[in-house]
Amino acid sequence: GAGVSQSPRYKVAKRGQDVALRCDPISGHVSLFWYQQALGQGPEFLTYFQNEAQLDKSGLPSDRFFAERPEGSVSTLKIQRTQQEDSAVYLCASSLGTGIYEQYFGPGTRLTVT
Amino acid sequence: AQSVTQLDSQVPVFEEAPVELRCNYSSSVSVYLFWYVQYPNQGLQLLLKYLSGSTLVKGINGFEAEFNKSQTSFHLRKPSVHISDTAEYFCAVSATSSGGGADGLTFGKGTHLIIQP
Repeated sequence: GAGVSQSPRYKVAKRGQDVALRCDPISGHVSLFWYQQALGQGPEFLTYFQNEAQLDKSGLPSDRFFAERPEGSVSTLKIQRTQQEDSAVYLCASSLGTGIYEQYFGPGTRLTVT
Repeated sequence: AQSVTQLDSQVPVFEEAPVELRCNYSSSVSVYLFWYVQYPNQGLQLLLKYLSGSTLVKGINGFEAEFNKSQTSFHLRKPSVHISDTAEYFCAVSATSSGGGADGLTFGKGTHLIIQP
């Protein structure tokens, strides 16, 4: 079956622009996670959704970062007024239920802010 | 809060030789432990996980890992590596939680496994 998909795969933004990154989780997966992976680093947790409810946003680095999942399926991570330090790969993962289920990762969106 | 330390950023190994990738963690609560592999331009793929029970866990592609609570380690091993094992390997932890809900994973910085012919 289809895995987690993300779009766009690559995004170049000028400093100060707003960007929106999309994640399509595996159909029926309840939980959805966003991670940020800087060059040469491991992924870092940003936020977590259970269906449409955002239950944890403790990892969002600033109020310029906003995520939503209005219908409990597709999710969008929005970054306002992008800055160079936002350059990273943004990974989305979904899992079947709540609790300790395997997280399936998408290929990521590589964001470059110039 | 949890943290993960992968002691080696890069490990070169000859093909068919054994390999061990080291992982240590720090946590004030009980954790679940994972190893993920990331091939170039691909998403992370779960290799294996430790939730409870036997401390030796076996995963895909011939990998295994041993949980050592006293040393807070979860080292990954493979007895004989192949060229196709060249990838980035990440160790990760998640706090065990009660009452439902899920926890984001805390990852190490990764170890680049380089297989030399």
